[in-house]
Amino acid sequence: EPEVTQTPSHQVTQMGQEVILRCVPISNHLYFYWYRQILGQKVEFLVSFYNNEISEKSEIFDDQFSVERPDGSNFTLKIRSTKLEDSAMYFCASSEGGGGLDTQYFGPGTRLTVL
Amino acid sequence: GIQVEQSPPDLILQEGANSTLRCNFSDSVNNLQWFHQNPWGQLINLFYIPSGTKQNGRLSATTVATERYSLLYISSSQTTDSGVYFCAVEGWGTDKLIFGTGTRLQVFP
Repeated sequence: EPEVTQTPSHQVTQMGQEVILRCVPISNHLYFYWYRQILGQKVEFLVSFYNNEISEKSEIFDDQFSVERPDGSNFTLKIRSTKLEDSAMYFCASSEGGGGLDTQYFGPGTRLTVL
Repeated sequence: GIQVEQSPPDLILQEGANSTLRCNFSDSVNNLQWFHQNPWGQLINLFYIPSGTKQNGRLSATTVATERYSLLYISSSQTTDSGVYFCAVEGWGTDKLIFGTGTRLQVFP
């Protein structure tokens, strides 16, 4: 069964450094998402992406965050200057259709630790 | 925005017991998904169920969209069912899932 994959599984970085989290969505899916979960809290939406542009973003997704689909298979989340509060599990998700018409499938997550 | 509340927050069961988890949401939705977050943090998709009833093995779910709630039933629970169960909804005209705070289930042998 196709699945969303994410790399790396764990990332440790120093405050102020840039990190790039990578995702490979399911191949025939057209809608891509990033979510995050701070330890012990609920999962929060960051951004949705369709047709090579951001379709929706949350208040969390400020100027230090960016997303990109650099080629036909990868979807990346960049954090330009990490802060301690960016420490969280970051999940990528994809769906075939948007607007709630299809299941969003989640990857296994990247655990980001900012020191 | 839409509010999603789950109950109970914590549930402790002995292996073999049945349980019902509830998800209430504050507005009409066009997507509702149930997830199991395992001890490794992975979010496993259980059901896509904006309305109606579905069953998958020992798990089943029912969403009554007009009354804005969904129920997840776990029968004959096993220790591998332990983890956190999240309900998440997507409102009309949006692509984002809004998650509830989860129900933490512990199943003991």
